[in-house]
Formats: sequence, C-alpha cells, structure tokens
Amino acid sequence: LAKTTQPISMDSYEGQEVNITCSHNNIATNDYITWYQQFPSQGPRFIIQGYKTKVTNEVASLFIPADRKSSTLSLPRVSLSDTAVYYCLVGGPYTDKLIFGTGTRLQVFP
Amino acid sequence: NAGVTQTPKFRVLKTGQSMTLLCAQDMNHEYMYWYRQDPGMGLRLIHYSVGEGTTAKGEVPDGYNVSRLKKQNFLLGLESAAPSQTSVYFCASRTVRLAGDETQYFGPGTRLLVL
Repeated sequence: LAKTTQPISMDSYEGQEVNITCSHNNIATNDYITWYQQFPSQGPRFIIQGYKTKVTNEVASLFIPADRKSSTLSLPRVSLSDTAVYYCLVGGPYTDKLIFGTGTRLQVFP
Repeated sequence: NAGVTQTPKFRVLKTGQSMTLLCAQDMNHEYMYWYRQDPGMGLRLIHYSVGEGTTAKGEVPDGYNVSRLKKQNFLLGLESAAPSQTSVYFCASRTVRLAGDETQYFGPGTRLLVL
C-alpha cells in the first residue's frame, strides 16, 4: 500500500493560490492519485484525480511529476469556503484497502 | 439516485449495548468501506468489502463486525459498545474500472456516542 505524507496544516488568505503537496514514494504503476475535500460534519468528497502530468477541472489542478512520487493540489484564488481538510489518496484497480493519511487542514482567512 | 445513505444519523448507547449501522448504496458499486473519524482526526478504515458475501479487516477492526449479504448494503455491528467507540462513522462505496476512476463516494456519516 502506498503511504502518503502531507503537511498537517496550512494557512492562506482569500484570493491567494494554495498548493498542497503529497508525498507517495512507493506508488505502484497502476495507482492513481485522488484528492478529497472534507468539511466539518460531512463525509469527504472527490475533488480531482490524476495519473501523470497535469489535470485540471473547474475547482482545482493536480500536478504530478514524471516519477509520480509526489503530487501537488493547486487551488486557485481560495475563498473562505475552501476552509476544509484535504486528503491525498493513492490507489488503483487492484487496491482493495483505501487508507487515508492525516490530511492537510487548510484555513483561509479574510 | 440517492448515492450512499447511512442509518441512523445519530445514536446514543450505553456501555455494553449493541447496535448495527446500515449503509446502503444505489450505484451498483462492488466495493464498500466503513471508516471511523474521531474529533479532529483523520479517517481510519475499520472493515471493507470487495463484493457481496465478502468482508475484510482494515486498520482498526477490533470491536466491530460487518456483513455484506446484499451488494447494495454493508452493515457495521458493535456487539458490546465501549466509550472508545464514540466517533463519527462514514461509509463509502466505489466501483472498479481498469482505466482508473477509483473515486469513493461517501455517506453523510453516523454520529455515535457511547456513555
């Protein structure tokens, strides 16, 4: 199982770009990298997923270097409503167990 | 399409009592998971299932049992509740596609307080 390591917490201000990096040194060939967002008292929800290079959707971008041993979630121009915990998860078609790491608690200030 | 639902939303138990948490999904997903989340902490995997009739242990299985008699339902049982099991319990499901898209879909959670 690929173990993930993220910063415990980050602070930002509204309008800034936030980059959260996840380390996953023993990622397997078939593994994808998925990021989830969790608000208090709610279940995690999917933000973005990627395998390599760059993926962008309406809420975030995901940058994955060629060696795939890390990934960076980029949130452009954050707002107060982006205050949440962000989890990086690594797994693929042959992954039964999906283990969450500690996550990164992002606090956005006005 | 309700996604993943959990029953009940909130429950208070006394030490030693038993209860069953129900998770249901209507997306025909093969995999289902039970996680617990203590205040201010991350999610820890309790048990999971890769298909109807199968179950397996996660990171913290002690004190819990599970059953998956129907593909759409995954039950989590506490035979003798302890205060240490006070937590929020989340259920999740996912399908398996060889081309990726291993996204988990989570339920709203069940808050359990054991006195």
